[in-house]
Amino acid sequence: DAGVIQSPRHEVTEMGQEVTLRCKPISGHNSLFWYRQTMMRGLELLIYFNNNVPIDDSGMPEDRFSAKMPNASFSTLKIQPSEPRDSAVYFCASSLKSSNQPQHFGDGTRLSIL
Amino acid sequence: GESVGLHLPTLSVQEGDNSIINCAYSNSASDYFIWYKQESGKGPQFIIDIRSNMDKRQGQRVTVLLNKTVKHLSLQIAATQPGDSAVYFCAENMADLYSGAGSYQLTFGKGTKLSVIP
Repeated sequence: DAGVIQSPRHEVTEMGQEVTLRCKPISGHNSLFWYRQTMMRGLELLIYFNNNVPIDDSGMPEDRFSAKMPNASFSTLKIQPSEPRDSAVYFCASSLKSSNQPQHFGDGTRLSIL
Repeated sequence: GESVGLHLPTLSVQEGDNSIINCAYSNSASDYFIWYKQESGKGPQFIIDIRSNMDKRQGQRVTVLLNKTVKHLSLQIAATQPGDSAVYFCAENMADLYSGAGSYQLTFGKGTKLSVIP
């Protein structure tokens, strides 16, 4: 079975550019999560969706970050304009929308902003 | 705020020995815990989970122990193999009190790096 699929795997761009990260959750999962991982701060939850609706975006660093989930099989995380401090690995995870269910992660997008 | 933390940031174990990775949590309302394994260049991989109404759960070569009295979680790996080398994270379930839909957030610890010596 296909797991969570993220693209691109690597992204290198100059500061000021728009960056769009993509995620396809596991089929049948109705909760989707975006995380950022850095050495200094570990795994941080940015935003999560239930049934395509954003539930909690309190982890989104600032207005430069936005996320959408237009349908059950696709989500995007956008950074505009990007800054060097946004460099990190961004993970998408999905789960069944019920308590006590594990989240399953993609292999992430390694983002480098020059 | 409350958070999950790890006692040991690094652990080196001889191949074939048992490994024990520890985790302390501070949110007494957490009722679900998960251990993840993260290999270099990959996302966290689910290993095993445990609910707060249990104190022990076993999987294939792994056992998770939960001590709610002292808010402590551990992961035991039997007969550690080189392929077990990775960073291990514990995570706790923070119930979403607002959605009322049973969805949940996870709070992750900083991770413990396990190195297996051949």
